[in-house]
Amino acid sequence: QVQLVQSGAEVKQPGSSVKVSCKASGGTFSSHALVWVRQAPGQGLEWVGGIIPIYARAKYPEKFQGRVKITTDESMSTAYLALSSLTSEDTAVYYCARERQGAFDLWGQGTMVTVSS
Amino acid sequence: DIVMTQSPDSLAVSLGERATINCKSSQSILYSSSNNRNSLAWYQQKPGQPPRLLISWASSRESGVPDRFSGSGSGTDFTLIISSLQAEDVAVYYCQQYYTTPYSFGQGTKLEIK
Repeated sequence: QVQLVQSGAEVKQPGSSVKVSCKASGGTFSSHALVWVRQAPGQGLEWVGGIIPIYARAKYPEKFQGRVKITTDESMSTAYLALSSLTSEDTAVYYCARERQGAFDLWGQGTMVTVSS
Repeated sequence: DIVMTQSPDSLAVSLGERATINCKSSQSILYSSSNNRNSLAWYQQKPGQPPRLLISWASSRESGVPDRFSGSGSGTDFTLIISSLQAEDVAVYYCQQYYTTPYSFGQGTKLEIK
């Protein structure tokens, strides 16, 4: 049974960058896409982007273009979300999730990213 | 971009009663080349936990999800029904369209016990 295990909480200064990891424990992402979704404190869910590991092809919403990068390692068992030029509005829990034909059927535990001076 | 709007924002229902949550998309999310399926999912999120997928393709219940949860609708209007509310159903519920990127979620509906 594959589980998604994310890296620990981060505290970052405004203007800096953060990189969060998501490891498929007990397997790989296989042919599934892997997405990142964030949730600001007390707020709803927002799709940050996704990647199809076997093609190494990523997609991002326009609002994050140029500031976000999603990658996977060669074994396709770990995915990474890199976000740059951080502001307080990027403070959120970041989740990775496996995409199954569009729906997100398996989620990581979440990583809290706090942007504060 | 497709905007998803849920109603109501919050809902209080007595134990054993029916709970109904609505979701409307700003354009049709009926995927005609996929056996006329609607690209809509429902998630349940409890405090401190990641979301849990309940229903995909608007009405297909995930394995392990109790059958008191059901989804319906087509085109732009969708509904999640909990037929007999249990205490463990207290959560925030989200709809999500995956018809096209950027994928988008409704704002969430907070379900409580009356």
